Amino acid sequence: GNSVTQMEGPVTLSEEAFLTINCTYTATGYPSLFWYVQYPGEGLQLLLKATKADDKGSNKGFEATYRKETTSFHLEKGSVQVSDSAVYFCALLNAGNNRKLIWGLGTSLAVNP
Amino acid sequence: DAGITQSPRHKVTETGTPVTLRCHQTENHRYMYWYRQDPGHGLRLIHYSYGVKDTDKGEVSDGYSVSRSKTEDFLLTLESATSSQTSVYFCATSWTDTQYFGPGTRLTVL
Repeated sequence: GNSVTQMEGPVTLSEEAFLTINCTYTATGYPSLFWYVQYPGEGLQLLLKATKADDKGSNKGFEATYRKETTSFHLEKGSVQVSDSAVYFCALLNAGNNRKLIWGLGTSLAVNP
Repeated sequence: DAGITQSPRHKVTETGTPVTLRCHQTENHRYMYWYRQDPGHGLRLIHYSYGVKDTDKGEVSDGYSVSRSKTEDFLLTLESATSSQTSVYFCATSWTDTQYFGPGTRLTVL
């Protein structure tokens, strides 16, 4: 079946540090992959996505590349800010599944000034 | 962003009482979802809808029912609330592959 595995948090970084949050998946076929972000007290919002192998999604300085050979979609940012403190969720979507996302458990990021 | 509202935003209730949470959208999205979010469990799908009057169960549907009589509203009912249903509930909608989330309802069952 389909599943998503994220690195466990919490992750604590200093401002301007490099961020990597690992995400690997198991899926049949060719899923689309997503990163969502949840800021404190809010609902989730789409951060970036990639719909086919080797695609790179990017937004707000974050990037992730869809790697089919390693079944991964790791999230990276070169220089984090305090405002990036949030919970990050990796997810996949397989076609024909009534658009139900398969979610990772989330990784909490805290960025200290 | 999709216009999604949830009501109430906070609720405290007692064990055994019925509770209804409302999700309202203004985007005419076909798909709607109810999730619960709990520490250590991430997001878990309760029920979803793929059209008016078309609903199906998610992974944690026991004790919950839903109704969708019009495109814009998706109701979640806890038939007889239990303490294990204390959680934050999120509604989401989608039209293509992206889901748009409401602000959440924090429910406490005493």
